[in-house]
Amino acid sequence: QSALTQPRSVSGSPGQSVTISCTGTSSDIGYYNYVSWYQQHPGKAPKLIIYDVSYRPSGVPDRFSGSKSGSTASLTISGLQAEDEGDYYCCSYVGGYSWVFGGGTKLTVL
Amino acid sequence: QITLMESGPTLVTPTQSLTLTCTFSGFSLTTSGVGVGWVRQPPGRALEWLALIYWDNDKRYSPSLKGRLTITKDTSTNQVVLTMSNMDPVDTATYYCAHITITFGGVPRRDAFDVWGQGTMVTVSS
Repeated sequence: QSALTQPRSVSGSPGQSVTISCTGTSSDIGYYNYVSWYQQHPGKAPKLIIYDVSYRPSGVPDRFSGSKSGSTASLTISGLQAEDEGDYYCCSYVGGYSWVFGGGTKLTVL
Repeated sequence: QITLMESGPTLVTPTQSLTLTCTFSGFSLTTSGVGVGWVRQPPGRALEWLALIYWDNDKRYSPSLKGRLTITKDTSTNQVVLTMSNMDPVDTATYYCAHITITFGGVPRRDAFDVWGQGTMVTVSS
C-alpha cells in the first residue's frame, strides 16, 4: 500500500487554527474509521493525539480535533501554542490487520 | 503503566541481518485485541510501518519489506523480536516498537499505536 498523502508543511500564528489533511483511498481512510494522528517533537518518539478518526486520549488538550470526509482525514489544532510546533503523522488501517502512515507534516508556529 | 524498550545493535554491516528486541511491561500479549508493532524512521524522514504481531500470533508485514522481515513473540519474557535480513545503508533509521489495541470481537478499542518505546538508532555501514 502507498503512504498516505500529507502536506509537507503548514504554519500558523499563536492563537490561530491550522488544519492538516491526510489523503488516502477508498481502501483505507475511505473504508475504515481507524485513522490516528501522532505528534512528534525533534528527537522524541511519536505521541498518539487522535484515534478512531476523532477521539482524544486522556491528557490531550481539546484544542486537537480530528475528522474525516470520504478518503481524506483532517487534524485541526485550534488556539495554536508554541509547544504545538513539530511533526504530525496520520495513520490508517488498510485491512488485513495492516497499517500505513502518512508522509508527515511539519507544523511551524510563527 | 505500559512501557516498551527497544534494544539491539547500533551498527550493522551491509548484507548482514538485524535483530531488534522489544521488551515490554504493563500488558499481556495474550490478551485479545492486543499487538506490538515495529515502525522505523530514517533520519529526517517519515514514519514507516514495518510489522505487527497480535495476541493470537497473527503476523503482518509491510508489503514492501515482507520478504526481509520476521516478527516473533515470547510471552514468557514479554519480548517481541524483529529480524530484518540483507541490510542496506537505506535501512539506516530509528526503529520503534509500539503497543496497539484493535477493535475485535465487538469490543471497541483505540485501533492505534498508543504507547511507543524511545526508539533505537541503527546505522548500516561498512
